[in-house]
Amino acid sequence: DIQLTQSPSFLSASIGDGVTITCRASQGISSYLAWYQQKPGKAPNLLIYAASALQSGVPSRFSASGSGTEFILTISSLQPEDFATYYCQQLNRYPLTFGGGTKVEIK
Amino acid sequence: EVQLVESGGGLVQPGGSLRLSCAASGFTFNNYWMSWVRQAPGKGLEWVANIKQDGSGMFYVDSVKGRFTISRDNAKNSLFLQMNSLRAEDTAVYYCARDRQSSGYEHDYWGQGTLVTISS
Repeated sequence: DIQLTQSPSFLSASIGDGVTITCRASQGISSYLAWYQQKPGKAPNLLIYAASALQSGVPSRFSASGSGTEFILTISSLQPEDFATYYCQQLNRYPLTFGGGTKVEIK
Repeated sequence: EVQLVESGGGLVQPGGSLRLSCAASGFTFNNYWMSWVRQAPGKGLEWVANIKQDGSGMFYVDSVKGRFTISRDNAKNSLFLQMNSLRAEDTAVYYCARDRQSSGYEHDYWGQGTLVTISS
């Protein structure tokens, strides 16, 4: 199975800060990667697909890049509604797998 | 508006069975692969299974192979997950999700989830 390692697993940041989350795959997955945001008690929400494509309706402060084994999600200026847990998911090979998550909390 | 509504969760004893359902609306159901994704309490997301548009192909995570069966009824716009030989580690919120093909099959819409608890 393809393992996805997210770092950090937890980060504390202030409103207006820029943050970066990394997702590393145990083997190359080309650009078959998605990013999701999940708030407590809610279903995940698709943010990014195909490694860098912004899902419709997602604010432009979210961006992502990468291919192969290393991927990055960037939030350019944290807003109150961005405090949540973020997951990457590889879609290259079955079983589809998720990273362990990165919880973004208010400093 | 795309809607996915899960049902069928509950408390079951270890070794028991449960059948989850997901009612889909607002899109052409038989045009999409569909998935089940679960989340144990306080834990991360785990993809469980998915099924092709016509039901002719399915994939499963190893931990549920031979115990869970994904199926669909396109005439009723419904997705199912039959879960047998349930274990404590199957305790989770189970989400149904639509798989949209772009470069991969990302999950672009999700239901609200249904809680399955396995306990004696």
